[in-house]
Parts: sequence; structure tokens; C-alpha cells
Amino acid sequence: ELKVEQNPLFLSMQEGKNYTIYCNYSTTSDRLYWYRQDPGKSLESLFVLLSNGAVKQEGRLMASLDTKARLSTLHITAAVHDLSATYFCAVDNTGGFKTIFGAGTRLFVKA
Amino acid sequence: NAGVTQTPKFQVLKTGQSMTLQCAQDMNHNSMYWYRQDPGMGLRLIYYSASEGTTDKGEVPNGYNVSRLNKREFSLRLESAAPSQTSVYFCASSERTPVGTDTQYFGPGTRLTVL
Repeated sequence: ELKVEQNPLFLSMQEGKNYTIYCNYSTTSDRLYWYRQDPGKSLESLFVLLSNGAVKQEGRLMASLDTKARLSTLHITAAVHDLSATYFCAVDNTGGFKTIFGAGTRLFVKA
Repeated sequence: NAGVTQTPKFQVLKTGQSMTLQCAQDMNHNSMYWYRQDPGMGLRLIYYSASEGTTDKGEVPNGYNVSRLNKREFSLRLESAAPSQTSVYFCASSERTPVGTDTQYFGPGTRLTVL
């Protein structure tokens, strides 16, 4: 059974600092997604990572995937208050259609 | 394009009452999903529909039924609501790309309270 674990679950950081959110998953998969959810809002797609070594960047966020270690990271560079949100990683179950979500990392960036 | 729409946005039910949550998408996606979101537990898949005319159980299907009315619409029904079904419900849709990815597009959510 596919399990997806994120850590930390809560992160409070100062503006300008760097930090990394980790996403581990338990079985083989080659499709991993990162989503963002603002408080009281819906989820929006950030990144899709397809293969081992894949790296994608947008603004201050960079995501990477290591399929051998079953690990994805979301790195935040020089955080700003606007990045405050909950970040979810999600992994496709082999065979598709059943995407399993992590519990989410609630990020708060203090001005 | 409206994307994925859900109705209602908020609902309060008494234990034992029934209701249907509606979801529609205008992106011509084949796949549609219903999730519930509870604090600290991420999103859990209730039911999904890989294509029009098919539905399958997800992680937490007990107490729910679904109907894929046509390609656009996917409804979720609570036949006899229980307090444990208090949650935020999200509908999503996706279309598998040629490289096999399935990015999901989410509706705004329905906040349901069962008293």
C-alpha cells in the first residue's frame, strides 16, 4: 500500500531564510506532484516531477525527485510572506488514478 | 472557462439527513475525483471516475455513493449523514497526458457540518 509522508508538518520561518520540505513515499512511482493550498482555498498545481533526477523551479520554489530514494524535496529560497500556505506532495499509485496525498506542510513566513 | 465548480459551498446537516454534492467541469477531462480534507490528514480519496460511465472506490468510500452523470458532472451523495462526515469536500478533474501525468484541477470545496 502506497503511503506518502511529509515533514515537517508545520514550519514557521523568517523572511529571507531558506528551508526544505521533504516528501517520502513507500512504493515505486515515477510521478510526483506538488500542490499549494492557501488558507480557506482550493489546491493549485505547482510542479509535476516525472523521472529520477527531475528538477523544476518557479520563482523561489524548487522541487526535485529521487526515485531510488523515494524522496522529493521542495526547497524554498529567501522566503517571503506570500509563500505562506500549505504544501502537499502527491504520488500516483502504480496503475494510475489513485493519487495519494501527504498530510501537507503548513508554512508560515514571518515578516 | 469556469474550471471545476462545486455546489453548495457550505452545508449544515442533522445526523441521518441525506444530501448530494454537485460537481461539474468544463475542461473536457475524462477523470473526476471526490476527496475529503480533514485537519492533519491531507486529502483522502473517496471515489473516482476514470471515464464517463465508470466509478471506483478510493480510500474512504463508506457512507458515500457517486454518480458520473455525464462527462462533465460527478456527484457525491451522503445517504444518512453522520458527524464523522463533517469535513471539507473537494472535487477534482484531470486528463492524462501523453507522458502519463495526471495533474488534478480542484474545485473550491464544500464545507459540510453534520450535527
